[in-house]
Amino acid sequence: AQKITQTQPGMFVQEKEAVTLDCTYDTSDQSYGLFWYKQPSSGEMIFLIYQGSYDEQNATEGRYSLNFQKARKSANLVISASQRGDSAMYFCAMRERGNFNKFYFGSGTKLNVKP
Amino acid sequence: NAGVTQTPKFRVLKTGQSMTLLCAQDMNHEYMYWYRQDPGMGLRLIHYSVGEGTTAKGEVPDGYNVSRLKKQNFLLGLESAAPSQTSVYFCASNPVLMTGGAYEQYFGPGTRLTVT
Repeated sequence: AQKITQTQPGMFVQEKEAVTLDCTYDTSDQSYGLFWYKQPSSGEMIFLIYQGSYDEQNATEGRYSLNFQKARKSANLVISASQRGDSAMYFCAMRERGNFNKFYFGSGTKLNVKP
Repeated sequence: NAGVTQTPKFRVLKTGQSMTLLCAQDMNHEYMYWYRQDPGMGLRLIHYSVGEGTTAKGEVPDGYNVSRLKKQNFLLGLESAAPSQTSVYFCASNPVLMTGGAYEQYFGPGTRLTVT
């Protein structure tokens, strides 16, 4: 079974609007971490935000927030006030307590911000 | 700090040739990883290391070998390159993990490899 599922291969958003990128995960561990990375066309992997499974509040980092719904096993990334520079691939990833050595990555969502 | 660096940035190989990709990190991280990323896809783990002198297989280890003789370096070898190994290769590292696994992975800039 897929550990991380991103069901939106591509998305468009109007500049200055908010956008939600979906991510669902599969784990039987009680302790795990969820991460989002951004990969612009230049290719580097940029860490955006982290959510721990025991964190009661949703993580926020500037314009990024993580909408964590534990019972539904979802960890959606919300980008507020989209900018042209947000156009990129976005990857959701998970690390399990019982398997700290490995990250599991989703297949990614390509976001295009329209002017 | 240079962070995570990878050498070379680009390489073209003929089928059957061999090569070694070098990853170096100056953050004193224990854990290091090699991933491959095929076009339009996410990252798949090839091999990883939890410390100097240790290596372990990831999701797609066939056709690759690795070595971690020094803590700061993690080498990925292709003994007999095949066109199916055309990909972008990323190295990553992170420190020893605390409960909850909060540390993100720090990535190198990638190596674009083409096998003809």
